[in-house]
Amino acid sequence: KQEVTQIPAALSVPEGENLVLNCSFTDSAIYNLQWFRQDPGKGLTSLLLIQSSQREQTSGRLNASLDKSSGRSTLYIAASQPGDSATYLCAALISSGSARQLTFGSGTQLTVLP
Amino acid sequence: DTGVSQDPRHKITKRGQNVTFRCDPISEHNRLYWYRQTLGQGPEFLTYFQNEAQLEKSRLLSDRFSAERPKGSFSTLEIQRTEQGDSAMYLCASSLTQGLNSPLHFGNGTRLTVT
Repeated sequence: KQEVTQIPAALSVPEGENLVLNCSFTDSAIYNLQWFRQDPGKGLTSLLLIQSSQREQTSGRLNASLDKSSGRSTLYIAASQPGDSATYLCAALISSGSARQLTFGSGTQLTVLP
Repeated sequence: DTGVSQDPRHKITKRGQNVTFRCDPISEHNRLYWYRQTLGQGPEFLTYFQNEAQLEKSRLLSDRFSAERPKGSFSTLEIQRTEQGDSAMYLCASSLTQGLNSPLHFGNGTRLTVT
């Protein structure tokens, strides 16, 4: 069974800092790895999707990497802003059978202090 | 706004009552998913539809839970004889049928509180 872990559970940084969020997964047979943002009381917003054949994806100040062999993904946020404060979740889509279900980590709650 | 819409946003019910939630996906999306999220945890998969066909169901979806998507557009999730353990955020998501690399678009969820 796929398990996804995110460390740390919470992170607080001053505005302007670069930061890295970590995600690890136990089953390397994934189809893709997705990063989401969740604001309090809201749904999830898709940030980046990395296909299993890719090593990284970039969108603006965000860069996500994927290392299937080690079961790890990172989300790099450059020049953090208070508006980046949210919970960041990673999710792995397994590639076996007909599964269409994402397995999520518990998230990292990020606070960017002005 | 043409995002995923869920109704109601909040539902408070007494234990033993039945509740029904509705999800309207993005109009051209033919895949629809239901997830459940408890406080401090990531969402857990419940079930998945492609058009009107329910293709996968999680073991979390006990026989008190039923989901439908009768015309391949909106979907409903019903919980019968609610229990306090059913209290959670119920999230709906949709995606295009373009292989498995279409990102999921989530609604803002329905928060259920069972008293």
